Amino acid sequence: EPEVTQTPSHQVTQMGQEVILRCVPISNHLYFYWYRQILGQKVEFLVSFYNNEISEKSEIFDDQFSVERPDGSNFTLKIRSTKLEDSAMYFCASSGDTRKEFFGPGTRLTVL
Amino acid sequence: SQQGEEDPQALSIQEGENATMNCSYKTSINNLQWYRQNSGRGLVHLILIRSNEREKHSGRLRVTLDTSKKSSSLLITASRAADTASYFCATPQTGGGSNYKLTFGKGTLLTVNP
Repeated sequence: EPEVTQTPSHQVTQMGQEVILRCVPISNHLYFYWYRQILGQKVEFLVSFYNNEISEKSEIFDDQFSVERPDGSNFTLKIRSTKLEDSAMYFCASSGDTRKEFFGPGTRLTVL
Repeated sequence: SQQGEEDPQALSIQEGENATMNCSYKTSINNLQWYRQNSGRGLVHLILIRSNEREKHSGRLRVTLDTSKKSSSLLITASRAADTASYFCATPQTGGGSNYKLTFGKGTLLTVNP
């Protein structure tokens, strides 16, 4: 069964550094998402992406965040200058016409 | 307002028993989804129930949806230790067109004791 993959599984970075989280969505999906989950808290929507542009973003997704689909397969989330409070599990998801979202295993981001 | 709130927050049962988790939501939906998350791991999609469905089964899972009460329940029958996980309900919020996102509840932590 096709699945969403994410790399790395764990990323440790210093505050103020840039990080890029990578995702490979399911190949025939058209809608792509990033969510995050701070330890012990809810899974929160960050951004959705369709037709090479952002469809919707939450208030969390400020100017420090950006997404890109640089080629036909990858979908990336960039955080320009990480803060301590960016430490969380970041999940990529993709969906097709049914809008059923398939989630990747997540990247655990630790900002020191 | 909170969309997709589960109760109980935590549930501890013995292997073989049934586990029931509930979810309430506030706005109109066209479907409701249940996910499982093992500790520190990714989200696994369990089941999607559409607003015109009242009950759906998948293996040992049974989901009900009552749109008049804006509530859903997830029943896991004959539980196993491997069912130990957090369970979340999620409701799609759409602004129309391609705008679509899932709103998750805080989850129910299910512990199945062997």
